[in-house]
Amino acid sequence: EVQLVESGGGLVQPGGSLRLSCAASGFTFSTHGMTWVRQAPGKGLEFVSGMSGGGAMTTYADSVQGRFTISRDNSNNTLFLQMNSLRVEDTAVYYCAKVATPIAMAGTAFDYWGPGTLVTVSS
Amino acid sequence: YELTQPFSVSVALGQTARITCGGNDIGNRNVHWYQKKPGQAPLLVIYRDVNRFSGISERFSGSNSENTATLTINRVEAGDEADYFCQVWDINTWVFGGGTQLTVL
Repeated sequence: EVQLVESGGGLVQPGGSLRLSCAASGFTFSTHGMTWVRQAPGKGLEFVSGMSGGGAMTTYADSVQGRFTISRDNSNNTLFLQMNSLRVEDTAVYYCAKVATPIAMAGTAFDYWGPGTLVTVSS
Repeated sequence: YELTQPFSVSVALGQTARITCGGNDIGNRNVHWYQKKPGQAPLLVIYRDVNRFSGISERFSGSNSENTATLTINRVEAGDEADYFCQVWDINTWVFGGGTQLTVL
């Protein structure tokens, strides 16, 4: 059974940093791309960042480019999101999601999602 | 690349709901659909235009042509009430539509 569990959310002041983690199990982690998607209060889903299975390819939303860094530890089946220079508008529930198709990234759906972790940026 | 969804759709219990996702030449892209209920993680419903994800009811179906992709829910049940989001891949990133709130009357 595929399981994804996020952690690391919390309350942080504007300009601060947080590191999110996503522990994965139930599939061959190293062969699947992984992503972060967020949902701000009362808003829709927003793609944040993605990384290919081997880590060679990364992609970011324009809104977080240069502030957030995605990484992964395939030996421990864990995905990370380092968030720096946080802004009030980064407040959201952050979900990690598994890319459905092994190896490929482009055009693929997200077939499993974690329950999410809440990040609140406020003074 | 922009995806346009109606803000809300209302449908009577047992009837058919159609939720659209508009985009320039979207018919040439793979469209995926997600269901999102409050307090729950998003759930993949339809992938690559027409394929139901594992465990999804046969009442859910998808289509995609020219400038509009459509999620159709037949014999709507109270449990289908949720937000629905379409998604495509565009130039090295994924794009979500703004979401459609489905209300079951």
